[in-house]
Amino acid sequence: GAVVSQHPSWVICKSGTSVKIECRSLDFQATTMFWYRQFPKQSLMLMATSNEGSKATYEQGVEKDKFLINHASLTLSTLTVTSAHPEDSSFYICSASITSGNEQYFGPGTRLTVT
Amino acid sequence: DAKTTQPPSMDCAEGRAANLPCNHSTISGNEYVYWYRQIHSQGPQYIIHGLKNNETNEMASLIITEDRKSSTLILPHATLRDTAVYYCIVKPKAAGNKLTFGGGTRVLVKP
Repeated sequence: GAVVSQHPSWVICKSGTSVKIECRSLDFQATTMFWYRQFPKQSLMLMATSNEGSKATYEQGVEKDKFLINHASLTLSTLTVTSAHPEDSSFYICSASITSGNEQYFGPGTRLTVT
Repeated sequence: DAKTTQPPSMDCAEGRAANLPCNHSTISGNEYVYWYRQIHSQGPQYIIHGLKNNETNEMASLIITEDRKSSTLILPHATLRDTAVYYCIVKPKAAGNKLTFGGGTRVLVKP
């Protein structure tokens, strides 16, 4: 149980285009989902916290108009990187908290390359 | 959230127990100790968590000192597939609380 999926697993896009990444909790309902970014040889950095049905809370330094987060249901959250640039190339990882528990379960990650 | 200190790297022999230390001297009374690991190019994997009592599951054991200022994650019989970065994190037990990842310990299991 407690499986989180992400789609796509990797994506290459051209500079200036937008990319949407999906995060799904497959066998549980997640009140809260988190989005992280990880650059090579670095640790995970939290970008935003997403609660179902409400606006996401972004960490300091993360542009909310560039990284659009939608959490429309208890099993799906999406991250859209708008007007992507090469410096947005990174490993994007989501996680979800079980409503009645506290552990966070992570997705497999999405590797974004912007050319 | 309280911060944690972990050694940046350690090697261990396949089949032997791996003991991963973590210092969290400023931990608050309502904060739990969580351990996650990240195998290369994958999302982190939850391992175990505890408050003050020692905990054991199918993956590992967690030993927390009586003063709660440090803990040790024990992988009883390390395998090559346990090679990963291991993160020790402290946070209150609530679904909404975010995880703050530090540098972790890069564990290399050698044959």
